[in-house]
Amino acid sequence: SAVISQKPSRDICQRGTSLTIQCQVDSQVTMMFWYRQQPGQSLTLIATANQGSEATYESGFVIDKFPISRPNLTFSTLTVSNMSPEDSSIYLCSARHTGELFFGEGSRLTVL
Amino acid sequence: QQQVKQSPQSLIVQKGGISIINCAYENTAFDYFPWYQQFPGKGPALLIAIRPDVSEKKEGRFTISFNKSAKQFSLHIMDSQPGDSATYFCAAMWSGSRLTFGEGTQLTVNP
Repeated sequence: SAVISQKPSRDICQRGTSLTIQCQVDSQVTMMFWYRQQPGQSLTLIATANQGSEATYESGFVIDKFPISRPNLTFSTLTVSNMSPEDSSIYLCSARHTGELFFGEGSRLTVL
Repeated sequence: QQQVKQSPQSLIVQKGGISIINCAYENTAFDYFPWYQQFPGKGPALLIAIRPDVSEKKEGRFTISFNKSAKQFSLHIMDSQPGDSATYFCAAMWSGSRLTFGEGTQLTVNP
């Protein structure tokens, strides 16, 4: 399996600010993804983080709000921009390794 | 079309009993069906997975049954234990390794 580390694990932020979440995988992986899990709910795919090119966003998510970087095969960042209380969620990094999809522990974001 | 319907929303089982969670899908392009277990405050952990050319897969106390014609699959937890109490998500993989998740089932196993 792949070990996926996320930072920060949790944060409390003020409305209108931005926060960058980091994701580090202990193996080189071809595919990395970012998901959102709102309190008590299921996971929703935000985007596919493409190495060396722009991320591919799912319907309802846009680059201006959730810019993503993926500079190499083990690292990605997700920024949540101009935050509002509706952005309070768990943000999860995922990576495909040996045919399976693994998840980090998540970054729990509270926006006041 | 990308939806996966999961039931029940919550499930209470006695220790030693069988827990059964069901999922259904519409999109025949789904090609891989994993189940994840999530404890409070933790990320989802891969439990077991199946491909649509297989009707059943068993790993320890966990079994996936897959009915391709009915577009349904289910997770069976045999000899359920209090430590199995968690939220379980079924999922389906489609284009480019994307996952669509079911709504989740909160399982409680009473001692």
